Amino acid sequence: QEKVQQSPESLIVPEGAMVSLNCSFSDSASQSIWWYQQHPGKGPKALISIFSNGNKKEGRLTVYLNRASLHVSLHIKDSQPSDSAVYLCAVSIPGNYKYVFGAGTRLKVIA
Amino acid sequence: EAAVTQSPRNKVAVTGGKVTLSCNQTNNHNNMYWYRQDTGHGLRLIHYSYGAGSTEKGDIPDGYKASRPSQENFSLILELATPSQTSVYFCASGDRDTQYFGPGTRLLVL
Repeated sequence: QEKVQQSPESLIVPEGAMVSLNCSFSDSASQSIWWYQQHPGKGPKALISIFSNGNKKEGRLTVYLNRASLHVSLHIKDSQPSDSAVYLCAVSIPGNYKYVFGAGTRLKVIA
Repeated sequence: EAAVTQSPRNKVAVTGGKVTLSCNQTNNHNNMYWYRQDTGHGLRLIHYSYGAGSTEKGDIPDGYKASRPSQENFSLILELATPSQTSVYFCASGDRDTQYFGPGTRLLVL
């Protein structure tokens, strides 16, 4: 069964810092990988996804995927206090519409 | 934006009692999902559905049933609630790629 591990578990950074979040998965046949943001007391909200090897940029977010090393990372440029949240990595299961989620990284951005 | 609502938002149940969590989506998505979220485990899939009348077991289905009577509605049923089912439950609807989550239901089983 697909396993998804995220690191670090938590992170505290000053406002304006570059944030790097990591996600490792176990099945090279996995299709798309999604990053979700979850604020306290709310449901997760989709941020950005990637399917092909390489990188994808949307605004302050950049995601890198390396299928050979089964690793994906999310980078947040110029972090803001409003970016403080839990970030979840989700990896799709081939052949259906299921996803396996990591346990998340808790980010706190201090003003 | 996609809309997924859940009811109730908070629920206190007694051990052995029956609990029904409801989910409604206005996105006309075929796929719907029930997850639970516990500290250290992230989101774990309980049941999911590909459309009205269909339900599939997820990764942790024991102790749970699901019902999808229509495109819009998907329910999670705990026939005999246990304290280990205390958790936050999220419903989601999805197309081929993205999932849209509801606000969650906080369930406490005493």
